[in-house]
Amino acid sequence: AQTVTQSQPEMSVQEAETVTLSCTYDTSESDYYLFWYKQPPSRQMILVIRQEAYKQQNATENRFSVNFQKAAKSFSLKISDSQLGDAAMYFCAYRSATNFGNEKLTFGTGTRLTIIP
Amino acid sequence: ETGVTQTPRHLVMGMTNKKSLKCEQHLGHNAMYWYKQSAKKPLELMFVYSLEERVENNSVPSRFSPECPNSSHLFLHLHTLQPEDSALYLCASSQEWRENTQYFGPGTRLTVL
Repeated sequence: AQTVTQSQPEMSVQEAETVTLSCTYDTSESDYYLFWYKQPPSRQMILVIRQEAYKQQNATENRFSVNFQKAAKSFSLKISDSQLGDAAMYFCAYRSATNFGNEKLTFGTGTRLTIIP
Repeated sequence: ETGVTQTPRHLVMGMTNKKSLKCEQHLGHNAMYWYKQSAKKPLELMFVYSLEERVENNSVPSRFSPECPNSSHLFLHLHTLQPEDSALYLCASSQEWRENTQYFGPGTRLTVL
């Protein structure tokens, strides 16, 4: 079974600075998807960024980028120019790309990010 | 705007009550999901519906009863719950069951007294 580990329960960063949230996962599969979701105090789970394991290029969405290290099974999220609205719980998630019986998302326990004004 | 709405946002109920959670998606998706989010635990998938048919039930106790009358609506009927069932219940949808990106609703905060 796949597992997702987020070893940082809490992180904080000064506004306008850069912060990196770590995520590792365990799988025996070679093809899969990785996600970062953001859950602000409103509790909405919002998709931040997605990475396909077969792509070597790291995904980027505006101020959000990932460092995907497939061999190390690491998938960190970098937030540049942090803004107050980035304050939230961030969840890393894994999903198999084999479409029979492994469709569910497996989530980590989350990292609470605080932005210091 | 998420396209996935949930009502109510907060619910307090006693162990003998019967209540229902509602989820509606406005995205034209065919698959819908119920998740349970407890403090300091990963999200747990409860049920998956694809084209109104239940395709996955992750060993959820029978006091939770899902219903999917059409592809836009998903209910979670609750009865004789326990205090440990207190959690945030999140609904999500995706284009197809095997589509990898899910879109979540805001959740219902449930407290069982």
